[in-house]
Amino acid sequence: QKEVEQNSGPLSVPEGAIASLNCTYSDRGSQSFFWYRQYSGKSPELIMFIYSNGDKEDGRFTAQLNKASQYVSLLIRDSQPSDSATYLCAVGDENDYKLSFGAGTTVTVRA
Amino acid sequence: NAGVTQTPKFQVLKTGQSMTLQCAQDMNHNSMYWYRQDPGMGLRLIYYSASEGTTDKGEVPNGYNVSRLNKREFSLRLESAAPSQTSVYFCASSEITAYEQYFGPGTRLTVT
Repeated sequence: QKEVEQNSGPLSVPEGAIASLNCTYSDRGSQSFFWYRQYSGKSPELIMFIYSNGDKEDGRFTAQLNKASQYVSLLIRDSQPSDSATYLCAVGDENDYKLSFGAGTTVTVRA
Repeated sequence: NAGVTQTPKFQVLKTGQSMTLQCAQDMNHNSMYWYRQDPGMGLRLIYYSASEGTTDKGEVPNGYNVSRLNKREFSLRLESAAPSQTSVYFCASSEITAYEQYFGPGTRLTVT
């Protein structure tokens, strides 16, 4: 079973600050990396994906991938109360046909 | 374009009863998945279908069966429900396996 580790949190940040979420994975052959946001009682929603080393920015979200360190992170800039949710990291390997999910990090943005 | 739909949204079963959870997607995706989500356990893959006509076991398949009815539909059956199957069940689909997956709204199942 491929391991995907995340700090469970809760991560509490003030409104307007940067929230930094981390994820490590065990399978060095992993090739695709995803961040999902899940509000309480709702289904996971894909917010970012990254396949190559480096940074990928989309609005207030930045995903960072370092395959050598087996590490992927998500930065949320200018955090808003609406960003309060659980963030799931998922890792994929095209040879394995499925994604492995971390248990999620709960983020609370305080006004 | 509804994306991924699931029925029912809520269900209460007694131990030993059977039921089928339905899932459909209108994105012309090839791959479909069934997950369960329990507090503190994250998402665990029950079964998946890499393409129409194929199904494979995931991490926690015991007590479940699946049917890929056609490209759009993928159902999950509990033959004899047990309290340990109380969970939230999510269906997901992706264009190809191991890439972006899109989730349905979920089914909250309670087995008493």
